[in-house]
Amino acid sequence: EAGVTQFPSHSVIEKGQTVTLRCDPISGHDNLYWYRRVMGKEIKFLLHFVKESKQDESGMPNNRFLAERTGGTYSTLKVQPAELEDSGVYFCASSQRGGRTGELFFGEGSRLTVL
Amino acid sequence: QKEVEQDPGPLSVPEGAIVSLNCTYSNSAFQYFMWYRQYSRKGPELLMYTYSSGNKEDGRFTAQVDKSSKYISLFIRDSQPSDSATYLCAMRDAGNNRKLIWGLGTSLAVNP
Repeated sequence: EAGVTQFPSHSVIEKGQTVTLRCDPISGHDNLYWYRRVMGKEIKFLLHFVKESKQDESGMPNNRFLAERTGGTYSTLKVQPAELEDSGVYFCASSQRGGRTGELFFGEGSRLTVL
Repeated sequence: QKEVEQDPGPLSVPEGAIVSLNCTYSNSAFQYFMWYRQYSRKGPELLMYTYSSGNKEDGRFTAQVDKSSKYISLFIRDSQPSDSATYLCAMRDAGNNRKLIWGLGTSLAVNP
């Protein structure tokens, strides 16, 4: 069974440009999460989808970030316009509904570098 | 003050050593405690999880939670070079919010 896949693995863009990150969760996982790790800092929660609905988006930094999960399958996270402080590794994770608490399955991350 | 404190290390031990990793936290509402392992350029993978206080053992790994001290530990017995990775603690409260709060992670190197 395929794990959580993320694309691109690494993106380098200039300040002011737009980037869209994609996450394909494990098939059948209703819960999908986005987390971010900025260099030297802890992994931070961004948001949580249950199917196509945003359950919790309290961690989204500002309105330059837009996450979607059309049809409750894959998700995209768009940053527009990107700023220098957006650089970091963006992790997507998924879990089953009612799955063992805390058992999030993570992708390998999308590394974003904003110059 | 950070909600979760974890010494980033690095920690270097010889093969076969017992490794002790730990985190402290400030939020008494945390009920679920997890340890994730992350290899370089990979995503975190769940290693151990514990609900509330107590010990949990899985092979060479033992997780301990002391809620009275707000302190959690992960012990690795007979450490192997393949255990070289970053170990992250994560925790959350018992509510419907499944948001995890993470420590910085401790970088561990087990030398053959």
